[in-house]
Amino acid sequence: AQSVTQLDSQVPVFEEAPVELRCNYSSSVSVYLFWYVQYPNQGLQLLLKYLSGSTLVKGINGFEAEFNKSQTSFHLRKPSVHISDTAEYFCAVTLDTGRRALTFGSGTRLQVQP
Amino acid sequence: NAGVTQTPKFQVLKTGQSMTLQCAQDMNHNSMYWYRQDPGMGLRLIYYSASEGTTDKGEVPNGYNVSRLNKREFSLRLESAAPSQTSVYFCASPRDRGWGEQFFGPGTRLTVL
Repeated sequence: AQSVTQLDSQVPVFEEAPVELRCNYSSSVSVYLFWYVQYPNQGLQLLLKYLSGSTLVKGINGFEAEFNKSQTSFHLRKPSVHISDTAEYFCAVTLDTGRRALTFGSGTRLQVQP
Repeated sequence: NAGVTQTPKFQVLKTGQSMTLQCAQDMNHNSMYWYRQDPGMGLRLIYYSASEGTTDKGEVPNGYNVSRLNKREFSLRLESAAPSQTSVYFCASPRDRGWGEQFFGPGTRLTVL
């Protein structure tokens, strides 16, 4: 079975500073990787996904993530954050076969301070 | 085109009461899922339905039942609510082809006293 570990439960950062949210996964088979964002009292919205090809993927709102197979990581980055990026971020994986349900990490709360 | 809708948005139950959470999607997708979200645990799969008339257990199915009566609707039922079922419940539906976005509803916040 696959699993996802998000190493930081909370990340405080000042506005316009860079940020990295860490995600590691484990799986014995190929997986697809996703980052979702959840703004307060809302559902989840897809930020970006890695299915195949280039290991650097770009998403919405200036976020990007890099897939590293040897380190089984899929860290999310943004070079300059805004107050509006304050939200909870979830890393998720799904297998390339079967029911395609997502396995989520525990989430990282990004708190952008002025 | 509303995507995935859920009702109700909020609900408070007493221990032992029953209720049904409703989910509907207007994207003509085959698959639908129910997740629960608890602090520090991310989202966990309760039940899923790969197509109309089929359902299967996920990671945390105990205490729940589901019904997929048609392609649009997938309901989650708590027969005898327990405080451990206090959570936020999300319904989701992925595209049928490819591995793109899974569309989520706005969630139902349930409190069991």
